[in-house]
Amino acid sequence: QKEVEQNSGPLSVPEGAIASLNCTYSDRVSQSFFWYRQYSGKSPELIMSIYSNGDKEDGRFTAQLNKASQYVSLLIRDSQPSDSATYLCAVNKVDTDKLIFGTGTRLQVFP
Amino acid sequence: KAGVTQTPRYLIKTRGQQVTLSCSPISGHRSVSWYQQTPGQGLQFLFEYFSETQRNKGNFPGRFSGRQFSNSRSEMNVSTLELGDSALYLCASSPGDSHSPLHFGNGTRLTVT
Repeated sequence: QKEVEQNSGPLSVPEGAIASLNCTYSDRVSQSFFWYRQYSGKSPELIMSIYSNGDKEDGRFTAQLNKASQYVSLLIRDSQPSDSATYLCAVNKVDTDKLIFGTGTRLQVFP
Repeated sequence: KAGVTQTPRYLIKTRGQQVTLSCSPISGHRSVSWYQQTPGQGLQFLFEYFSETQRNKGNFPGRFSGRQFSNSRSEMNVSTLELGDSALYLCASSPGDSHSPLHFGNGTRLTVT
C-alpha cells in the first residue's frame, strides 16, 4: 500500500462545476495535511493546509479531513479553466517526520 | 518576502559527470528539503537539512549528497551521473516544524545525456 494515494485522473469537469479531489493515507497518526497545485512545467504551490477533522474553507477551495477513515479531500467550487493543473496531496509521516506526496491528480476544466 | 531561489534553472550534463545544485530558502526558514520529480515516480524525497545537519534522508544512493551552510542556503550534489538522474530537482524550505508546509523553489531541470 502506498503511503499517500491519489487517483491519477485526468478528472474532467465543466467550467462552473465542483471538482472533487481525493487522497488516502496509510499513517494513522499523521497530523498535518497539505494540498499543492502544480501547473505543467512549474513547481508545486501550496493551496491549503488542514490539521483537524472537518472542513476548512479558503475562497473557492475547501479541504476536508477525516482521520478515522484516513482520507483528505479538496473541493474546488466554480471551477475555472485556469484551475487545470495537477493537484498533489501531501501528508506528514509522524515516525520519520517526512512530508510524503501522492503522485497527483490531473484536473482538466473545460469551457 | 523573497521566495525560494534555485540555481541554475536548467542543466545539461553527460553521463559520468557530477553536478551541484543550489538553493536559497525563504528568509528565516531553517529547514531545506530536496525532492526529485519524474513523470513516472512523482515527487521523491531526497533529504532534509536543518541547522546545517541532515535531519532526514530518503532512499537514494550515496551518489546523491547535500549540505547546508550557516546562512541556511543548501547545495545538492550528484556524482557519476546516470541517464535516470534526468529529472526536475525541487528545493523547498520551511521553518522546520512538522506542522509548517513546504514552500518550493522553481526547480532545476537536469538532463543527462
